Amino acid sequence: KAGVTQTPRYLIKTRGQQVTLSCSPISGHRSVSWYQQTPGQGLQFLFEYFSETQRNKGNFPGRFSGRQFSNSRSEMNVSTLELGDSALYLCASSLALGRGQETQYFGPGTRLLVL
Amino acid sequence: QQQVKQSPQSLIVQKGGISIINCAYENTAFDYFPWYQQFPGKGPALLIAIRPDVSEKKEGRFTISFNKSAKQFSLHIMDSQPGDSATYFCAASGVVTDKLIFGTGTRLQVFP
Repeated sequence: KAGVTQTPRYLIKTRGQQVTLSCSPISGHRSVSWYQQTPGQGLQFLFEYFSETQRNKGNFPGRFSGRQFSNSRSEMNVSTLELGDSALYLCASSLALGRGQETQYFGPGTRLLVL
Repeated sequence: QQQVKQSPQSLIVQKGGISIINCAYENTAFDYFPWYQQFPGKGPALLIAIRPDVSEKKEGRFTISFNKSAKQFSLHIMDSQPGDSATYFCAASGVVTDKLIFGTGTRLQVFP
């Protein structure tokens, strides 16, 4: 079974631009979560989606948004990029049997560099 | 209250030794505590997880010890190997959510 895939793997943008990152979960997984990883702040939760609905949101500004499609694929968007948005963005999927606390499988991440 | 504190920040262990990483939490609503292992250029991968109804869980060379009253849990890696060299993250989660609160990470280096 293929793992979580994320595209693109690397991205360079300039301040003020916007970016869209894509995540394809493991087949059959219904929940997708996004995390931002930086050397200074570590791994921080961005959003959690289940059945196309945002179930949870982290403490990030409104410039960060996301969505989930009917096939469970997910995208996240960052508008008006700032230098501090440079990070590794990780997507994770789980079976989401309704109990929470499912094993989450992470993708390799998209490394975003904002210049 | 949402924080998970992890120590040490880095750890150097000789091959065959025991690696111990500690975590502490404050939110008593947390009831799922996984440990993740991350190699450079890869996403984190689940190593082992525990729920607070047990005090210890062992899988191969990896053991989680859990102290509910102290709100602390730790990862023990027995017979540490150079291939265990990676960054380890503890995490915590509440009920009916996949949202994970991660510790700050421990970089483990195992020397032959």
